[in-house]
Amino acid sequence: AQSVTQPDIHITVSEGASLELRCNYSYGATPYLFWYVQSPGQGLQLLLKYFSGDTLVQGIKGFEAEFKRSQSSFNLRKPSVHWSDAAEYFCAPASNTGKLIFGQGTTLQVKP
Amino acid sequence: EAGVAQSPRYKIIEKRQSVAFWCNPISGHATLYWYQQILGQGPKLLIQFQNNGVVDDSQLPKDRFSAERLKGVDSTLKIQPAKLEDSAVYLCASSINSGLQETQYFGPGTRLLVL
Repeated sequence: AQSVTQPDIHITVSEGASLELRCNYSYGATPYLFWYVQSPGQGLQLLLKYFSGDTLVQGIKGFEAEFKRSQSSFNLRKPSVHWSDAAEYFCAPASNTGKLIFGQGTTLQVKP
Repeated sequence: EAGVAQSPRYKIIEKRQSVAFWCNPISGHATLYWYQQILGQGPKLLIQFQNNGVVDDSQLPKDRFSAERLKGVDSTLKIQPAKLEDSAVYLCASSINSGLQETQYFGPGTRLLVL
């Protein structure tokens, strides 16, 4: 069965610092992978997605993610974090019917 | 382009009462999803519709939850009777079609508190 793990429940970084959020998945074939962000009181917004091809994927708001098949990982990165990036981040592979299987989420706090 | 609309935004009920949530997907989107997000967890799919047919309802507690999408557009999710553990945010999402590559667009959610 497909599964996804986000090892870090909560991360705090200083504004302007770099960020990496970890995501590990368990899937038999090439997965279809998504990162979503959820701000307080808001719905989920798609940051980026990976289907095939270039393993480094660019998303919105300056985020990128790298697919590493050998490590079963799809970590999210941003070179310089802004205070408005404080939110909850979800990694989610998709099943063959399109169902998203969400991880537990990582809460990002940004220190001024 | 209008996004996914949900109502109500908040609902407080007592256990054993019934409640219904409404979702209007993005125009032209054939696929509609209902997710349950319990505090501190990621969303979990309850049911997926393709037009007015059910694609996946394997995680829907069918003894108390029901959902319909009669005309293939709007959808209603009902809980009857509610339990304390049903307290959660109920998210509706839609996509152009079903499939691995489709992007799902989420509504703001309905926050349910069962007392």
